[in-house]
Amino acid sequence: QSVLTQPPSASGTPGQRVTISCFGSSSNIGSNTVNWYQQLPGAAPKLLIYSDNKRASGVPYRFSGSKSGTSASLAISGLRSDDEADYYCAGWDDSLSGREVFGGGTRLTVL
Amino acid sequence: QITLKESGPTVVKPTQTLTLTCTFSGFSLSTRGVGVGWIRQPPGKALDWLALTYWDDDKRYNPSLKSRLTITKDTSKNRVVLTMTNMDPVDTGTYYCAHAQYGDNYYFDYWGQGTLVSVSS
Repeated sequence: QSVLTQPPSASGTPGQRVTISCFGSSSNIGSNTVNWYQQLPGAAPKLLIYSDNKRASGVPYRFSGSKSGTSASLAISGLRSDDEADYYCAGWDDSLSGREVFGGGTRLTVL
Repeated sequence: QITLKESGPTVVKPTQTLTLTCTFSGFSLSTRGVGVGWIRQPPGKALDWLALTYWDDDKRYNPSLKSRLTITKDTSKNRVVLTMTNMDPVDTGTYYCAHAQYGDNYYFDYWGQGTLVSVSS
């Protein structure tokens, strides 16, 4: 069971806007920033969003991050077939002397 | 240009100790606000953070694995080594090292390609 909770799957058609949620608690999302990673099939994870809403270098404007309270969201607009991947939220958790925590991942399917 | 590459055994036996090396270039681990972390991923499962070593010699471990993990850095050789004792088949997976950068908190902005480790007798 992951400390950060994500829906296991999401889907959309090309051109659509999809959002992926990430639920945490006061010890992680509520008090620290959230990062988002994209993992294409067979590849290493890639940083998409850091510090809640900052796009990593080279990441298209179609990707955006937001946070409110103890939850965060990743939005992808203008969905493309090559956005099909696993997406993970992550961040620091202050409990148990501190630890980095990842969500369980959301598999995005482009229909 | 920052690059990282993991190396180590592809197969270890149960109860053995795993030693993985992360060799990196394009940055120094003595630079303020920089770290190197290890993250693993069992086949078909989610990412699982293991350990992080920082520029100021601080180290942090996954509390559930802390007794089995040791992370060390060799700044002069641009290497970080992770050892994990008492390996079990459930430890099978791909092990990644990643460059950590401090912003408001740390984030992993560059990742190695990963190395697959199988635990089997």
